[in-house]
Amino acid sequence: NAGVMQNPRHLVRRRGQEARLRCSPMKGHSHVYWYRQLPEEGLKFMVYLQKENIIDESGMPKERFSAEFPKEGPSILRIQQVVRGDSAAYFCASSPRIGTQETQYFGPGTRLLVL
Amino acid sequence: DAKTTQPNSMESNEEEPVHLPCNHSTISGTDYIHWYRQLPSQGPEYVIHGLTSNVNNRMASLAIAEDRKSSTLILHRATLRDAAVYYCILSGYGNKLVFGAGTILRVKS
Repeated sequence: NAGVMQNPRHLVRRRGQEARLRCSPMKGHSHVYWYRQLPEEGLKFMVYLQKENIIDESGMPKERFSAEFPKEGPSILRIQQVVRGDSAAYFCASSPRIGTQETQYFGPGTRLLVL
Repeated sequence: DAKTTQPNSMESNEEEPVHLPCNHSTISGTDYIHWYRQLPSQGPEYVIHGLTSNVNNRMASLAIAEDRKSSTLILHRATLRDAAVYYCILSGYGNKLVFGAGTILRVKS
């Protein structure tokens, strides 16, 4: 069973461009979470999605950031008009169910560098 | 929000046991205690979790205090590959994990 897959692993964008980060959850997992890790900082929750629904986006910046998890295909985290402060590692995680005892399985991350 | 407190860093010798403490004095009755670790340049990795009873798996053991206000992650024989940041996290925030600063574990050969 393949783990959580993220691509690209590294992404370089110039200020003002768009960044699209993809996440394929583990097989059978319908819950996806995105986290961001700024340089020298801890991981911060951004958004939690189930298929076709955003359940909790309390950690996502209100502007320029959006996420989706369509019925078919990977989850996408989109950052429009990137700025240098968006440079970070973005991690996706998935779980098969919801619940406080559920384990989240993380992908290897996408490292975004904004020039 | 329930918080956890961990030492900033710890050091261990290779092949020796490591006890990583975590305090969570405001834990609620339904909070699970989860441990994840993050190796350099990798995504977080699940280690173990528990509610009230001590837990063992192939990676580690989790000892939970009787009053649940603290817990200890035990690596029975540390290897160089165990050098990582270890996070103690309480569930109960809906479905999101709230990461603190964690404990940086250094393993000496």
